[in-house]
Amino acid sequence: EDKVVQSPLSLVVHEGDTVTLNCSYEVTNFRSLLWYKQEKKAPTFLFMLTSSGIEKKSGRLSSILDKKELFSILNITATQTGDSAVYLCAGGNQGAQKLVFGQGTRLTINP
Amino acid sequence: NAGVTQTPKFRVLKTGQSMTLLCAQDMNHEYMYWYRQDPGMGLRLIHYSVGEGTTAKGEVPDGYNVSRLKKQNFLLGLESAAPSQTSVYFCASSYSVGVREAFFGQGTRLTVV
Repeated sequence: EDKVVQSPLSLVVHEGDTVTLNCSYEVTNFRSLLWYKQEKKAPTFLFMLTSSGIEKKSGRLSSILDKKELFSILNITATQTGDSAVYLCAGGNQGAQKLVFGQGTRLTINP
Repeated sequence: NAGVTQTPKFRVLKTGQSMTLLCAQDMNHEYMYWYRQDPGMGLRLIHYSVGEGTTAKGEVPDGYNVSRLKKQNFLLGLESAAPSQTSVYFCASSYSVGVREAFFGQGTRLTVV
């Protein structure tokens, strides 16, 4: 059965800190690893990773995938209170064409 | 461009009642998904569809049925609602899990009393 595990489940830091969120996966016919940010309603897309070792960046956020060790990390530098959210990662099973999500990491940034 | 639209946005049901949640997408996506989200549980896949007329079970399918009679619509049914089905339900659609991201609807908050 496909499985995605995120850690930590909850994280509280001060504004300006750098955080690293972890995502490990066991997904049959793995094709992609996706990161989403969820504030109050629908998840919004951050990154899709398909190749090992290639960092994707968007402003202060970056992410990388390790297909040998089956994990991904999401880094946020110089955190701001607006980064407070639940961060979700999902593994894409290309054979079944389904996305399996982890439990999410609740990130709280205190001013 | 509306993207993914879910109706209704909120609903309160009594135990044993039935209801249908509607998901509509206007992006011509083949793949559609229904998830439920409970506190601390992330998104759990209920059922999904890889094309018009096809459906498949996800992680937590019991108590739910689905239908995909038209490519743009994916319906989630609760035949006899139970308090354990109190949750936030999200629909998503995708072009392909290896090519593009999945797009989400705004969610339906369902309470079963």
